[in-house]
Amino acid sequence: EIVLTQSPGTLSLSPGERATLSCRASQSVSSSYLAWYQQKPGQAPRLLIYSASSRATGIPDRFSGSGSGTDFTLTISRLEPEDFVVYYCQQYGGSPAFGQGTKVEIK
Amino acid sequence: EVQLVESGGGLVQPGGSLRLSCAASGFIVSSSYMSWVRQAPGKGLEWVSVLYSGGDTYYADSVKGRFTISRHDSKNTLYLQMNSLRAEDTAVYYCARVDSWNYYFDYWGQGTLVTVSS
Repeated sequence: EIVLTQSPGTLSLSPGERATLSCRASQSVSSSYLAWYQQKPGQAPRLLIYSASSRATGIPDRFSGSGSGTDFTLTISRLEPEDFVVYYCQQYGGSPAFGQGTKVEIK
Repeated sequence: EVQLVESGGGLVQPGGSLRLSCAASGFIVSSSYMSWVRQAPGKGLEWVSVLYSGGDTYYADSVKGRFTISRHDSKNTLYLQMNSLRAEDTAVYYCARVDSWNYYFDYWGQGTLVTVSS
């Protein structure tokens, strides 16, 4: 079973700053099967990035994904007010699994 | 337009049963990979079960032997039968479609809350 560990648990930044979120896997994950989601309070998760680096339809280009093997990164180039929510990574090697989430909060 | 609408949540006593439904529109459930994902209050996302188009099913260890995923093709609806419910099963349950190429959850329902309590 592959375990995903996200860091940091909480990221405190200001609007306009760059956010870098990490997702580390307990064993190598195919880049094809690594995705990122955004979840706003009271809403279902929304797909942001799939296949580690491909933006989903309608996702602004300030969101980007990178990485391979066991280390993956979600970058938000310039934080907008609506970006201060929770982000999850997810892998599908064998059983699907999510990371525990990173909350991006306003500093 | 793809849409997923869950129903069937509610309050149930420990040891009880509940069946969740997920009505789909805009695509064919029987030709798709479909999954249930849950989120306990204030917690992260937990994958629960998947039903592949060919009929194969898989479950998280935490629900194996207690939950059953199924579909009704003519109703274009996904189900989750939950038996022997425990307090730790309390969560919002989401149904989601799984992209069959790269195995990510591309469409999600709004969720239905299941509360297991006496």
